[in-house]
Amino acid sequence: DVKVTQSSRYLVKRTGEKVFLECVQDMDHENMFWYRQDPGLGLRLIYFSYDVKMKEKGDIPEGYSVSREKKERFSLILESASTNQTSMYLCASSWTPGQGPGYEQYFGPGTRLTVT
Amino acid sequence: RKEVEQDPGPFNVPEGATVAFNCTYSNSASQSFFWYRQDCRKEPKLLMSVYSSGNEDGRFTAQLNRASQYISLLIRDSKLSDSATYLCVGPGGGADGLTFGKGTHLIIQP
Repeated sequence: DVKVTQSSRYLVKRTGEKVFLECVQDMDHENMFWYRQDPGLGLRLIYFSYDVKMKEKGDIPEGYSVSREKKERFSLILESASTNQTSMYLCASSWTPGQGPGYEQYFGPGTRLTVT
Repeated sequence: RKEVEQDPGPFNVPEGATVAFNCTYSNSASQSFFWYRQDCRKEPKLLMSVYSSGNEDGRFTAQLNRASQYISLLIRDSKLSDSATYLCVGPGGGADGLTFGKGTHLIIQP
């Protein structure tokens, strides 16, 4: 079974702090994603990585950065946390078409971040 | 027009009934469609892939209608445990060519 883990389930940070969210997958997936999910807004893509050290901006990258130094690990960084970044953060991974049987995304359990 | 659209619901359905909901998409080029289930405060989990020929898994049936550009999910003999939000995934501007709908909330009532 695919396993995607995230470093924290719940996190409380203060405004202005630098926040690191980590995601690890154990299926040798090429693609990794960071989303945030808010009521009524659905899943919104923050950043995407299709290979080590490669990244692409999603729909809402402002205020975030990412790092992918190893294939299995994808980190989301909030440079200076703000209250409007309070949200559920979800990491996902998938195969690249042709690499595996399909390219559905597999999600980690999520990190519920509260910025006060 | 949004790339993937779903009726947010909620759909309130009595236990044992059959329920169906659709998801429309605007990009006709894609080959890949999926349905995910998401329980309250949990992550989305893959429910089933949607193939051109349709896909059935127990009480669940997923269909693709390319002519009208929608996918559907049918749940027969609904159970209380089917209460969840169902997200469809279809073609769009997402990073890997896929984008998620906002979900349809289903409540099965005893």
